Amino acid sequence: KAGVTQTPRYLIKTRGQQVTLSCSPISGHRSVSWYQQTPGQGLQFLFEYFSETQRNKGNFPGRFSGRQFSNSRSEMNVSTLELGDSALYLCASSYSGGAGNNEQFFGPGTRLTVL
Amino acid sequence: KQEVTQIPAALSVPEGENLVLNCSFTDSAIYNLQWFRQDPGKGLTSLLLIQSSQREQTSGRLNASLDKSSGRSTLYIAASQPGDSATYLCAPKGNSWGKLQFGAGTQVVVTP
Repeated sequence: KAGVTQTPRYLIKTRGQQVTLSCSPISGHRSVSWYQQTPGQGLQFLFEYFSETQRNKGNFPGRFSGRQFSNSRSEMNVSTLELGDSALYLCASSYSGGAGNNEQFFGPGTRLTVL
Repeated sequence: KQEVTQIPAALSVPEGENLVLNCSFTDSAIYNLQWFRQDPGKGLTSLLLIQSSQREQTSGRLNASLDKSSGRSTLYIAASQPGDSATYLCAPKGNSWGKLQFGAGTQVVVTP
């Protein structure tokens, strides 16, 4: 079974630009969550999608948005990039994102550098 | 709000020693807890998922215990190897859709 894939793996952008990151979950998983990882703040939850609906959102500004498609693939978008958006962006998939035996599996991440 | 603390922040041991990594969390209303390892610049690899109703979970050389009422979990790694060098993260799962709350991790170095 293929794991979680993320594209692209690396991105370099300049301040003010926007960026779109993509995540393909494990086959059969319908929940996709996104996290931002920085040396200063660690791993922070961005949002979670299930069946094309955002069910949960972390404490990030509206410049961070996402969506999920009918095949459970998800994208996240960051508009008007700031230097502080430089981070490793990770997505995770699980069967339902809820309680119980819902192990989460992470992708390799997208390393975003904002210059 | 769930707060997760991992002690120690860093650990260096010679090959063959057993590792004990501690995780404490403030909100005991969790459904499960996952342990992950992360190699530098890489994604997270799931090691163990322990349900809130379980006291222990084992996988090979790894054993995780959970004391939900006291807000503690411990990861034991037996007979450490240089390949075990990584950052280990614990993440309890509450009733928030999809959200894992992470600690800062324990950075482990196993020297040959």
